[in-house]
Amino acid sequence: LAKTTQPISMDSYEGQEVNITCSHNNIATNDYITWYQQFPSQGPRFIIQGYKTKVTNEVASLFIPADRKSSTLSLPRVSLSDTAVYYCLVGDETYTGFQKLVFGTGTRLLVSP
Amino acid sequence: EAQVTQNPRYLITVTGKKLTVTCSQNMNHEYMSWYRQDPGLGLRQIYYSMNVEVTDKGDVPEGYKVSRKEKRNFPLILESPSPNQTSLYFCASSFRPNADTQYFGPGTRLTVL
Repeated sequence: LAKTTQPISMDSYEGQEVNITCSHNNIATNDYITWYQQFPSQGPRFIIQGYKTKVTNEVASLFIPADRKSSTLSLPRVSLSDTAVYYCLVGDETYTGFQKLVFGTGTRLLVSP
Repeated sequence: EAQVTQNPRYLITVTGKKLTVTCSQNMNHEYMSWYRQDPGLGLRQIYYSMNVEVTDKGDVPEGYKVSRKEKRNFPLILESPSPNQTSLYFCASSFRPNADTQYFGPGTRLTVL
């Protein structure tokens, strides 16, 4: 069974780089690791996804080591609007061969002026 | 516009009174899921569906039922709701389980008295 662990909360200031790590054991071997952002009273929103090594898009970078037992979301130069909860998402292969999904416990990021 | 819709958005009911929360997507996605979100517990998958007539249990299926008779619809059924099912519920869809973006509905806030 896949298990995920994230820090409960993090504080930062505008303009700083923030790194949030998710530890995940027993994830599906042929599956991606995805990160989502969630604001209050809204559904999660996709940020970035990767399988191995490093992925970068216009808003974030994702670092995944070779053993895939963790992943780190990097937000460069955060702003006040980045205050939100961040979740990692991994796949967990079931005995049926289907795939259920397991979210991390979430990290509440607070960005201050 | 690509979207996932849920109804109702808010519902207050009493213990034991059967209810259904509807979910519909217009993106021809094969994979659909229901999640519940509770303070301190993050998002937990209740049920998921790989395609029409193919459903399986997530991490917290007790007390819930689902059906997938059409590709676009994935209703969540509570046959006999209890207060511990008071929660915020999200429906989500994607082409594949975790290889591309999951699109989330706006959420349904359910209170069971």
